[in-house]
Amino acid sequence: AQKVTQAQTEISVVEKEDVTLDCVYETRDTTYYLFWYKQPPSGELVFLIRRNSFDEQNEISGRYSWNFQKSTSSFNFTITASQVVDSAVYFCATSGLTGGGNKLTFGTGTQLKVEL
Amino acid sequence: KAGVTQTPRYLIKTRGQQVTLSCSPISGHRSVSWYQQTPGQGLQFLFEYFSETQRNKGNFPGRFSGRQFSNSRSEMNVSTLELGDSALYLCASSLDTGTAGNTIYFGEGSWLTVV
Repeated sequence: AQKVTQAQTEISVVEKEDVTLDCVYETRDTTYYLFWYKQPPSGELVFLIRRNSFDEQNEISGRYSWNFQKSTSSFNFTITASQVVDSAVYFCATSGLTGGGNKLTFGTGTQLKVEL
Repeated sequence: KAGVTQTPRYLIKTRGQQVTLSCSPISGHRSVSWYQQTPGQGLQFLFEYFSETQRNKGNFPGRFSGRQFSNSRSEMNVSTLELGDSALYLCASSLDTGTAGNTIYFGEGSWLTVV
């Protein structure tokens, strides 16, 4: 079975601070996929990134960056120079062949509050 | 390109009633999944449909069912509603390429309150 742990329940930062959201995953699949989603109060889960287990290259997209480390089963997400609009719940998720290709297993989410 | 569309957005039902939620996937997407989100249990997978067939199912009672139509649109039904069924129901679609790990896009969800 797959499992995703997001130990940080809530994080509060002041605008322009950098913030890192932690994600630790467990899976028996040799090939698996990792995702991050953002959920604003409206409810929609907004897709942010998808990574394959065989591609450990870190990625930067604007103010967002992701650090994938297989050795520690972690897929952390950093927001640089945070803004109030970044306030949302962020979910890390994984999928793999044994769980069904399109079945996502989510963590419990991290509530990020960015204040002025 | 339109996203995943869910209707209705908000609804209130009474215990014992049934409810049907509708989902239109992104054009061209053939896989549709449903998730339930509650404060206590978080985001949980309900089921996935592909080409009108249920391909995967989560651990939910038989009161939860779904179907997919030939145009990939999907509906889910919950019968004999219980208070614990109050939740945000999210529909998701993906351009299934026959392999795992497809990017999955979500709709805004249907907020169901059971009273």
